[in-house]
Amino acid sequence: GENVEQHPSTLSVQEGDSAVIKCTYSDSASNYFPWYKQELGKRPQLIIDIRSNVGEKKDQRIAVTLNKTAKHFSLHITETQPEDSAVYFCAATITSGTYKYIFGTGTRLKVLA
Amino acid sequence: DAGVIQSPRHEVTEMGQEVTLRCKPISGHNSLFWYRQTMMRGLELLIYFNNNVPIDDSGMPEDRFSAKMPNASFSTLKIQPSEPRDSAVYFCASSFWTRLLDRGTYEQYFGPGTRLTVT
Repeated sequence: GENVEQHPSTLSVQEGDSAVIKCTYSDSASNYFPWYKQELGKRPQLIIDIRSNVGEKKDQRIAVTLNKTAKHFSLHITETQPEDSAVYFCAATITSGTYKYIFGTGTRLKVLA
Repeated sequence: DAGVIQSPRHEVTEMGQEVTLRCKPISGHNSLFWYRQTMMRGLELLIYFNNNVPIDDSGMPEDRFSAKMPNASFSTLKIQPSEPRDSAVYFCASSFWTRLLDRGTYEQYFGPGTRLTVT
């Protein structure tokens, strides 16, 4: 079955710097890759997603890139702010299949003021 | 839109007791997911339903766990008997899903979660 690995598990950056979180997936049939942000004590919320027919998607300070050949995708946050501090989860799924998200293990991002 | 509603928000119970968690998905959504989150195991999918039918329950840890979705607006996750290792935050999520690739956003909307503590 699908397996998603996420790195790093923790990441500390200075405010204003960029942060990059990487995920790899095992099932080449996966075609939808969402990223969720979970603040302390809150629910996970979608921040950006990408489908397999595009290589990059950007929304203001966040962007996601996808390399289907290598089966990895990354979240990029530029000009980080203290409110970006949270746990970020990547996931992969096959939308024409059983539509189960397989989540990565999460990255705890700390933005230091 | 009230979003996904879960109850109770917090539950403290003693080992051996029955626990029932409840979820009301977003109106119009046809898929419902139950997740468990712990520090050690992260976010685990327990079971999910599509059009009220259980599609995949391979994540249900053991027979002590059961889930039902009697209609499109309500689901329960029951643990009987509960054990201390069941302590976790349980999230319910819903989405609109269709096999037609261009329909739906595939986004799963999470509820606020139920924090379960079994002593």
